[in-house]
Amino acid sequence: SAVISQKPSRDICQRGTSLTIQCQVDSQVTMMFWYRQQPGQSLTLIATANQGSEATYESGFVIDKFPISRPNLTFSTLTVSNMSPEDSSIYLCSVLGAGELFFGEGSRLTVL
Amino acid sequence: AQSVSQHNHHVILSEAASLELGCNYSYGGTVNLFWYVQYPGQHLQLLLKYFSGDPLVKGIKGFEAEFIKSKFSFNLRKPSVQWSDTAEYFCAVNAGGKLIFGQGTELSVKP
Repeated sequence: SAVISQKPSRDICQRGTSLTIQCQVDSQVTMMFWYRQQPGQSLTLIATANQGSEATYESGFVIDKFPISRPNLTFSTLTVSNMSPEDSSIYLCSVLGAGELFFGEGSRLTVL
Repeated sequence: AQSVSQHNHHVILSEAASLELGCNYSYGGTVNLFWYVQYPGQHLQLLLKYFSGDPLVKGIKGFEAEFIKSKFSFNLRKPSVQWSDTAEYFCAVNAGGKLIFGQGTELSVKP
């Protein structure tokens, strides 16, 4: 199993600002994933982050809005840029291990 | 495009009732299938998974699921639910290396 730590666990942000979420894993992993869970909805994959290459974004998500860094095999960041109330959501970092996806506790963002 | 569909948005049961949550997926390749559970205020946890072999898989807390390839289905079952099973349940498919989730089913169990 993998232990995933995310920071911040929650934040309240002003419209138009940006926030960076950090994800730290206790073991080296090749693939890290960023998901969004909007209120009352399921998880939507934002992007896949591989170390040493640019992140791969899913349809509807773009790098300018959600830039991702993956500097090494245990760490990644997701930035939510120029936030609007529609970005209020839980953002989850996850990693694949033994065919199973492990999740962090999530970062709950509220945009006013 | 790959997709996962969960039939029920919200299910309300009394304790000891039997549970079946439907899940259908759309993907033409080899699939790995999962059910995750999210208890109130907690993060997602794996209930069970299917990779290959016996299509009836057993998970934690008395849950099981059956993979029916011809129906592209992976329904979750439990013979007798408890109040502590109140949670949101997500079906997911590993399609080409990424996990696609269904919309989720909220289960409320009345004591």
